[in-house]
Amino acid sequence: DGGITQSPKYLFRKEGQNVTLSCEQNLNHDAMYWYRQDPGQGLRLIYYSQIVNDFQKGDIAEGYSVSREKKESFPLTVTSAQKNPTAFYLCASSITGTGSNEQFFGPGTRLTVL
Amino acid sequence: AQSVSQHNHHVILSEAASLELGCNYSYGGTVNLFWYVQYPGQHLQLLLKYFSGDPLVKGIKGFEAEFIKSKFSFNLRKPSVQWSDTAEYFCAVEGTNAGKSTFGDGTTLTVKP
Repeated sequence: DGGITQSPKYLFRKEGQNVTLSCEQNLNHDAMYWYRQDPGQGLRLIYYSQIVNDFQKGDIAEGYSVSREKKESFPLTVTSAQKNPTAFYLCASSITGTGSNEQFFGPGTRLTVL
Repeated sequence: AQSVSQHNHHVILSEAASLELGCNYSYGGTVNLFWYVQYPGQHLQLLLKYFSGDPLVKGIKGFEAEFIKSKFSFNLRKPSVQWSDTAEYFCAVEGTNAGKSTFGDGTTLTVKP
């Protein structure tokens, strides 16, 4: 069954700790994306990667880091430098990073920093 | 830079009413346009998309959208909504070859039975 998995569904961390959110896809897609979703603010792009071993900053990259060592995996680290990390995080993928390819989304991870 | 504006944050309709959700974008070139939907408890998924050709595109569940280039708009329509259309709807724009999409703030649609 192809798709995107994100784990865990809920995550709690203490302030000042780094935390890594997992995103895995078995769709053989080249491009992967991380978004943050806050009420009334839609989806804001954090980082994206069009190919393995390459990634670019999105609109709100400060306080976040990513890696793309494997095609199927694109983990996101929320660092202690992120001032307001509590949010719902969505991972997505598309066949390629350009063209008319729609994005496929995972179920999301809700991060709460206490 | 590309940007998207969705005019309605929350729309409440009765079943069988007609729906139109506004979406305007800003980008200095050719674009691909998308509407995504997030039903309660489900993943965000594609409703329809435009990338070329006929500016009137049809999607799943009876939805359609019209790309009006002169108005930079891509409004979503449905002639008769159902209770099951209750969801959050997002418009997105992708500048051709930009490699990324920009999403609007979303519109929450509530359909009363």
